[in-house]
Amino acid sequence: ETGVTQTPRHLVMGMTNKKSLKCEQHLGHNAMYWYKQSAKKPLELMFVYNFKEQTENNSVPSRFSPECPNSSHLFLHLHTLQPEDSALYLCASSQEGPAGGYEQYFGPGTRLTVT
Amino acid sequence: GEDVEQSLFLSVREGDSSVINCTYTDSSSTYLYWYKQEPGAGLQLLTYIFSNMDMKQDQRLTVLLNKKDKHLSLRIADTQTGDSAIYFCAERDNTDKLIFGTGTRLQVFP
Repeated sequence: ETGVTQTPRHLVMGMTNKKSLKCEQHLGHNAMYWYKQSAKKPLELMFVYNFKEQTENNSVPSRFSPECPNSSHLFLHLHTLQPEDSALYLCASSQEGPAGGYEQYFGPGTRLTVT
Repeated sequence: GEDVEQSLFLSVREGDSSVINCTYTDSSSTYLYWYKQEPGAGLQLLTYIFSNMDMKQDQRLTVLLNKKDKHLSLRIADTQTGDSAIYFCAERDNTDKLIFGTGTRLQVFP
């Protein structure tokens, strides 16, 4: 499945580093999402972009900064993270609107470890 | 707030049917989804059902929806070892967000 790709697949960073996660969707969708998946917790929605505009920021700390330059690309910029931010970060896309089925397609995720 | 609940584990013998259950609280859900996650991978959409349907079948998968009881189930016929994974139920709420359950780990043994 190559509809939604994410890079890197694994990332280890120190608390003072700055890094970025990248997501690209090849499905022609108009909405993209960042989720955080931690052990033993439900998937947490972080950000939603609809037609490149951020429509949802689910009380995410400012050390996570999203960027959506176009409808196919989504970034998550990371700085001064904490060890509890270690998780699997998943990107998803969907087609919203009357023509869409509303189902979200996920990328493989970036496994982030903060040391 | 909205809540989606699933049992944590299910263990079945290869060749048997698996039934994974899910309950949700949001009566205004429009769509309900089942996703599969294998180790080290993202979520793979298996199937979904619109809230005005009560059943959907897709090859080995059967989804049953009891809207009155807010209960969703996924039945996998002839379960194989390749079906071992975590299965997530999700509902689309009235703000169009997906609310996920914590997932059910399905283990298939020979």
